[in-house]
Amino acid sequence: AQSVTQLGSHVSVSEGALVLLRCNYSSSVPPYLFWYVQYPNQGLQLLLKYTTGATLVKGINGFEAEFKKSETSFHLTKPSAHMSDAAEYFCAVSLNQAGTALIFGKGTTLSVSS
Amino acid sequence: DAGVIQSPRHEVTEMGQEVTLRCKPISGHNSLFWYRQTMMRGLELLIYFNNNVPIDDSGMPEDRFSAKMPNASFSTLKIQPSEPRDSAVYFCASSFSLAGVPPIFGPGTRLTVL
Repeated sequence: AQSVTQLGSHVSVSEGALVLLRCNYSSSVPPYLFWYVQYPNQGLQLLLKYTTGATLVKGINGFEAEFKKSETSFHLTKPSAHMSDAAEYFCAVSLNQAGTALIFGKGTTLSVSS
Repeated sequence: DAGVIQSPRHEVTEMGQEVTLRCKPISGHNSLFWYRQTMMRGLELLIYFNNNVPIDDSGMPEDRFSAKMPNASFSTLKIQPSEPRDSAVYFCASSFSLAGVPPIFGPGTRLTVL
């Protein structure tokens, strides 16, 4: 079975500070990993994904994540936070086979102060 | 493309009533997923379909919940009878049935059961 743990349900940063949202996964086979963002009263939007190849993945809005197999981690980072980054962020894992569903972590709410 | 379309966007009903949520996936997508989001439990996978066939319904809470996909362009999630604890945001998502292809989410239906 697969699972995702997001450490910290709420993270607060100042505008311009580094953003670090933590995600650890559990999977019996090499996983596919994803980060989604959810703005208030909206659906989920894909930020980035890791399937195969380069372990450092770049996404939209300046976010990136690094797949570390030895640490079973897929942490999301952004060098400089912007007020518009305030949202809820979800890490998700899926099997590396066609037609399987994503399993999500419980989410981390990011607050950005000026 | 209009994206994943869900209706209604908001539903308020009384306990014991039947509720039907509707989803139109993106044209050409052959995987469809229903998720439920609550504060307590986060994003839960309820059921998913590949090529209109239910693959895994182990996330469906109980027999009061049922889902159908009569054709490639339409799916329903029905709750009968509804209970206050069913209050949540229900998301539909669709994707191509290929490994590593992330689903695209609809805007969600906010259900309130009084």
